[in-house]
Amino acid sequence: SQTIHQWPATLVQPVGSPLSLECTVEGTSNPNLYWYRQAAGRGLQLLFYSVGIGQISSEVPQNLSASRPQDRQFILSSKKLLLSDSGFYLCAWGNALLGEQYFGPGTRLTVT
Amino acid sequence: RKEVEQDPGPFNVPEGATVAFNCTYSNSASQSFFWYRQDCRKEPKLLMSVYSSGNEDGRFTAQLNRASQYISLLIRDSKLSDSATYLCVASPGAQKLVFGQGTRLTINP
Repeated sequence: SQTIHQWPATLVQPVGSPLSLECTVEGTSNPNLYWYRQAAGRGLQLLFYSVGIGQISSEVPQNLSASRPQDRQFILSSKKLLLSDSGFYLCAWGNALLGEQYFGPGTRLTVT
Repeated sequence: RKEVEQDPGPFNVPEGATVAFNCTYSNSASQSFFWYRQDCRKEPKLLMSVYSSGNEDGRFTAQLNRASQYISLLIRDSKLSDSATYLCVASPGAQKLVFGQGTRLTINP
């Protein structure tokens, strides 16, 4: 069965510091991968998605970037965090045939 | 106008009651629909897919009305463990999902 891992679970970072969040998927090949952010009390906002190694689509202009160096690895980065980057970051993999997505446990980021 | 709209609630209902959630979507090209459940401070989890003929999974029934661009979720005989936020989701294609804001449900003993 498929499993999706994210780390770290929680993170507190000062404004202006860099960020790197990692997501890995097991049990599936060539998955579609997604990064979402959920701000406190808000809905899920799609940030990036990837249909293959090195292929990244950005949904919202911001100071974040994503990379997919390996088939089942998806990384979210920032060079300088803003206060508005605080939120719950969720990685997901998508079932291309049926359309549903499955989420990792998320990283709760607080920028201070 | 939001692409997927839900009543944010909160809904507070007694244990054993039947509760219904409604959701509308604006993109008529949407092909696939889902309900997710999200517990407090946890990731969303797929509750059920919504098929055009309507589908049932135990106490949960989902229905789709393409003409009205309307999706519903019915929970019968609600349990305390059903307390969560329920997210209505539409897929406009390109293997992307659009999430509603969610409806918070609290089941009271």
